[in-house]
Amino acid sequence: DIQMTQSPSSLSASIGDRVTITCRASQSISSYLNWYQQEPGKAPKLLIYAASGLQSGVPSRFSGSGSGTDFTLTISSLQPEDFATYYCQQSYSNLITFGQGTRLEIK
Amino acid sequence: EVQLVESGGGLVKPGGSLRLSCAASGFTFTTYTIYWVRQAPGKGLEWVSSIGSRATYIFYADSVKGRFTISRDNAKNSLYLQMNSLAAEDTAMYYCARGRGGTTPIDSWGQGTLVTVSS
Repeated sequence: DIQMTQSPSSLSASIGDRVTITCRASQSISSYLNWYQQEPGKAPKLLIYAASGLQSGVPSRFSGSGSGTDFTLTISSLQPEDFATYYCQQSYSNLITFGQGTRLEIK
Repeated sequence: EVQLVESGGGLVKPGGSLRLSCAASGFTFTTYTIYWVRQAPGKGLEWVSSIGSRATYIFYADSVKGRFTISRDNAKNSLYLQMNSLAAEDTAMYYCARGRGGTTPIDSWGQGTLVTVSS
């Protein structure tokens, strides 16, 4: 199976900060990398698909980049509603795998 | 509006069985791959199983292979997960979700149903 490793596991930041979360795949997954946001007690929500595609309705402060094995999710200016947990997920393989998550907390 | 509504969760003893259901509405069910993804309390997301739009392909995570069976009834816009030989490590919120399959993302999720395996 393809292993997905996110870093950091948790992150403290302030409103207005620029934040970057990284995700590394154990083998090349081309651009088949998706990012999800999960607020406490809620279902995950798709933010970014195919490494850099912005899902409809998602604010433009979210962006993604990368290909092969290394990917990043960037939030350009943190808003209060962005404090949540973020997961990367590879869809290169039929055996889907997620990263372990990055918890974004208010500093 | 896309809706995926899970049901069937509850408390079950180790070694027991449970059948989860997912009722879909607001989209053409027969054109989507449907997934089960679970999340143990306080833990991350774990993919469990996928079934193609016509059930022509089915995949399972190693952790549930041989114990869980995914199925769908396209006439009823419904998805199912039969879970047998349940163990404590199967305790989780189980989410039903949809996507276009293949390399495409999971684009919509239900709110989940909680399965607790405990004596």
